Amino acid sequence: DQQVKQNSPSLSVQEGRISILNCDYTNSMFDYFLWYKKYPAEGPTFLISISSIKDKNEDGRFTVFLNKSAKHLSLHIVPSQPGDSAVYFCAASDSGTYKYIFGTGTRLKVLA
Amino acid sequence: DAGVIQSPRHEVTEMGQEVTLRCKPISGHDYLFWYRQTMMRGLELLIYFNNNVPIDDSGMPEDRFSAKMPNASFSTLKIQPSEPRDSAVYFCASSHPDRREKLFFGSGTQLSVL
Repeated sequence: DQQVKQNSPSLSVQEGRISILNCDYTNSMFDYFLWYKKYPAEGPTFLISISSIKDKNEDGRFTVFLNKSAKHLSLHIVPSQPGDSAVYFCAASDSGTYKYIFGTGTRLKVLA
Repeated sequence: DAGVIQSPRHEVTEMGQEVTLRCKPISGHDYLFWYRQTMMRGLELLIYFNNNVPIDDSGMPEDRFSAKMPNASFSTLKIQPSEPRDSAVYFCASSHPDRREKLFFGSGTQLSVL
């Protein structure tokens, strides 16, 4: 049973436009959410996080939005760059456990 | 810092053989995680340790899988006997007490069981 779902396996966006990656979760105990980025043949690297006390967190070109009632979060990348082409994983945890559950990932391709 | 170090990078073995994957976490990190990446399930948490003690192994698929952390600088994931469906990329990650949410991943071990 997937507690964290990324329903779009892939996404293509033109350079300079906005990329929106979506993630849904089912466990209402989750209160901390993360996004990781993964290039081929490398391990995932931390991108941005958000706790359930916020509905938005911004870091440069990356913004994460959290909608707790819908159990949905999204990652916005503006403007998208070719170097952003990678697989993006969202993850969630109950902060009391630090047990991070990851989704299946979305492959983003930014076209020059 | 060298980061999380995993070995081997690639492992090809035959069904029924024992496989041992190794991980050296970043010094000072007190949490260690083992994940498996597959197309169908994404990054799947297998087991995690805190201060060398296993906290949750509910993700370990079967008794064929076992993990140990004999000290703060070394962990192993063992599969015995291995099966073709175990083929995947296995990642080890560690995190620091002050930044729990920031997992540092190794480069992974690509396991192929023929």
